[in-house]
Amino acid sequence: SYELIQAPSVSVSPGQTASITCSGDKLGDKYACWYQQKPGQSPVLVIFQDSKRPSGIPERFSGSNSGNTATLTISGTQAMDEADYYCQAWDSSTVVFGGGTKLTVL
Amino acid sequence: QVQLQEAGPGLVRSSGTLSLTCAVSGGSIDSNNWWTWVRQPPGKGLEWIGEIYHSGTTNYNPSLKSRVTISIDKSKNQFSLRLTSVTAADTAVFYCARTGYMSGRYFDYWGQGTLVTVSS
Repeated sequence: SYELIQAPSVSVSPGQTASITCSGDKLGDKYACWYQQKPGQSPVLVIFQDSKRPSGIPERFSGSNSGNTATLTISGTQAMDEADYYCQAWDSSTVVFGGGTKLTVL
Repeated sequence: QVQLQEAGPGLVRSSGTLSLTCAVSGGSIDSNNWWTWVRQPPGKGLEWIGEIYHSGTTNYNPSLKSRVTISIDKSKNQFSLRLTSVTAADTAVFYCARTGYMSGRYFDYWGQGTLVTVSS
């Protein structure tokens, strides 16, 4: 079965750029998307189709996908961006989530 | 603005059947979207359960396929999840979500989630 691998945690200083990666076999041939989830809340879509931002998502969130890796980049990271981030892709009529990355802003 | 609301028992007996419904408002379940169930065990990550289209076509997570049924009721604008032979490992927050219109699968609207605990 298809797997998406994420680092369990990433730390970033306020105002700096955070990069969260998601690895999967030939992931660049599929569409990847990203969700932000804060404690006690439902996930929120922040990037879809590799690099598109839904309405209402700040411009500091961007995405890319090539080869075996999709990347979520948060520029000028703010304290409010501290959350769990999940990548997701679709393979053979099956949706797959990455294990999630906890972003700490300190 | 599309809204989704999960409903169902918060406690299910081990070996029993978990049943949840997701009521959709602000949009038609007969639209060009797939409708999805996702779960999240306490302190863990997201797991896709399966999806249904308004035609009744379904796709399921292979690891759960033998125990899962997702159905749709267009007259009530809702869809449902049924998970049989539950164990403590099925304890989770269950979310329903809508798949977006564009290519690929991505979930643009989510319900608030409902915690289901499986007890012995």
